[in-house]
Order: sequence, then structure tokens, then C-alpha cells
Amino acid sequence: QVQLVQSGAEVKKPGASVKVSCKASGYTFTSYGISWVRQAPGQGLEWMGWISAYNGNTNYAQKLQGRVTMTTDTSTSTAYMELRSLRSDDTAVYYCARVPLPTLFFDYWGQGTLVTVSS
Amino acid sequence: EIVLTQSPGTLSLSPGERATLSCRASQSVSSSYLAWYQQKPGQAPRLLIYGASSRATGIPDRFSGSGSGTDFTLTISRLEPEDFAVYYCQQYGSSPGTFGGGTKVEIK
Repeated sequence: QVQLVQSGAEVKKPGASVKVSCKASGYTFTSYGISWVRQAPGQGLEWMGWISAYNGNTNYAQKLQGRVTMTTDTSTSTAYMELRSLRSDDTAVYYCARVPLPTLFFDYWGQGTLVTVSS
Repeated sequence: EIVLTQSPGTLSLSPGERATLSCRASQSVSSSYLAWYQQKPGQAPRLLIYGASSRATGIPDRFSGSGSGTDFTLTISRLEPEDFAVYYCQQYGSSPGTFGGGTKVEIK
């Protein structure tokens, strides 16, 4: 069965960086993409970007350009999302989700990783 | 970017009733690239519908999607206790992919 297992909760200070991992199993990793979506406390869903696990192509949300980097390690079927220069409004649950490229909906989701940014 | 407006914000219904959720786009969604997700408290979203009307794997047939262009609808024919949750629409026809603000379906 398809599973996406994310790394644990993080607490960071403003200005720091965070790197969240998402380990995939139950399917051919390089046949899909991975997208990242975040959800601030009590708020809706915000798309952050996606990466093709096949060729590493990426597409980031404009508001995060320059602060976010998405990568994959095909040897371990793991995707990573790094967010830099953290601010308090980056506090959110971060989800990875599988993307059946070239379409860009999300058919399986990770359990989420809470990132708290606080001084 | 395409803005999705979901209505109503909250829907109060009883088990067994029919739920009709609306998602309106600020411009036409190409190729009906519209998806619906269900999210329960403390859980990740779950894909229900993609391509405006195709049910995802394992989704009961009481969930159906319809619409095209700028107006889309998610219908739950008879609400089961486990259907009370928040529902989001998402367009993926143009970048950036955007989500609606959500509709909460609560027990009346």
C-alpha cells in the first residue's frame, strides 16, 4: 500500500532553517512527483510547490521563491523540503503528497509535520 | 492566480441528509482540473474527487462531483456519521495550484 511517512515535529527560532523529510513506499518512487502543502493553525491549505522524482524538475509557489528548496533521494525514495529564513507565520503543519504527474492533484498524503517558529 | 470561493462556509445537516457544496473559480479551470478533499480534525486531507467528477480509489459512491468552467459541486447523497468534516476544492489546471477556503459540514 502507498505510504508517505514524514519526519517529526520541529521547533525553530526566527531566521533559522528547517528540513522536513518524506519517505515513500508501496509504489515506484520515480514514476510520480511529490508536492508540499502547508496548513497554518486553524487555517486552510496552501500549496508550496512540487518536484518530479523522475528528473528533479521543480515548481515553487512564487511567495516562497528563494526560501524553499525541494529535493529527492531516489536511492532511499525520500523527498525533502527545506525552508529558510523562518518567520513566525511559517508556523504550520507541513504535508507531503504524491502527485501523479503530469496532473497535479494529490492522491496520497503524509501524516504531516508540525513546524513551530518561536523565539 | 485562480481564486476559489467555497460556499457555504458551514453546512449544518443531519445524518441521512443530502449535502451540496459549491466551489466557484475566478476564471475558467482548464480541462476541469478540479479536485475535492476531505479533512478531519488532526488528520491529513484525503482525495475524494479529481478531474471534477472521477472518484478516487476507495471512495464510496455517495460522493459525486460535477461542474465545469468556473462552477463546481461536490454532492454527498446521504450523509454518514463519518462524513462530518471540512471539504476543500483545489484547481490544478494552472500554476499555482490553489485551494478554496473550505466548507465545514457539521452535525445539526
